Amino acid sequence: AQTVTQSQPEMSVQEAETVTLSCTYDTSESDYYLFWYKQPPSRQMILVIRQEAYKQQNATENRFSVNFQKAAKSFSLKISDSQLGDAAMYFCAYRPIYSGGGADGLTFGKGTHLIIQP
Amino acid sequence: EAQVTQNPRYLITVTGKKLTVTCSQNMNHEYMSWYRQDPGLGLRQIYYSMNVEVTDKGDVPEGYKVSRKEKRNFPLILESPSPNQTSLYFCASSRGGLGTYGYTFGSGTRLTVV
Repeated sequence: AQTVTQSQPEMSVQEAETVTLSCTYDTSESDYYLFWYKQPPSRQMILVIRQEAYKQQNATENRFSVNFQKAAKSFSLKISDSQLGDAAMYFCAYRPIYSGGGADGLTFGKGTHLIIQP
Repeated sequence: EAQVTQNPRYLITVTGKKLTVTCSQNMNHEYMSWYRQDPGLGLRQIYYSMNVEVTDKGDVPEGYKVSRKEKRNFPLILESPSPNQTSLYFCASSRGGLGTYGYTFGSGTRLTVV
């Protein structure tokens, strides 16, 4: 079974600075998808960024980027120029590549609470 | 607007009183799933459905039932709720097949069983 580990229960960063959230995972598959979700106090789950394991290029979405290290099974999220609106819980998630059978839902980490200091 | 609609948003009930949390999506997604979120545990999958009339257990299915009679609806049923089912519940949907499809989540249902 796949597992996803987020080793930082809480992180704090000054507004406008850069912060990196860590995520490691364990899988025997060679191809899969990885995601970062944001959950603000409104509790809505918002997709931040996604990565295909077969792509070597790291995904980027505006101020959000990932550092995907397949061999190390690491998938960290970097937030540049942090803003107050970035304050939220962040969840790393894994999904098998083919949703054609078996339990292919998202496997989530336990989350990192990101605090933005003004 | 493409969305997943869950109802109710908040629910307080008593032990043993059957309840249903509804979930509906308007994106014609094949895949639907239920998660529960508990502090320090992240989100854990309860049940999922690959398509109409096809459902299967996730990681924490005990005490829950689901049905998928129509593609758009995927209700979560608690036949005899207990206090350990107090949690935040999310319904989610996704396209099926290959692809980096993220899930679209509902707004969540905060359930308290007393």
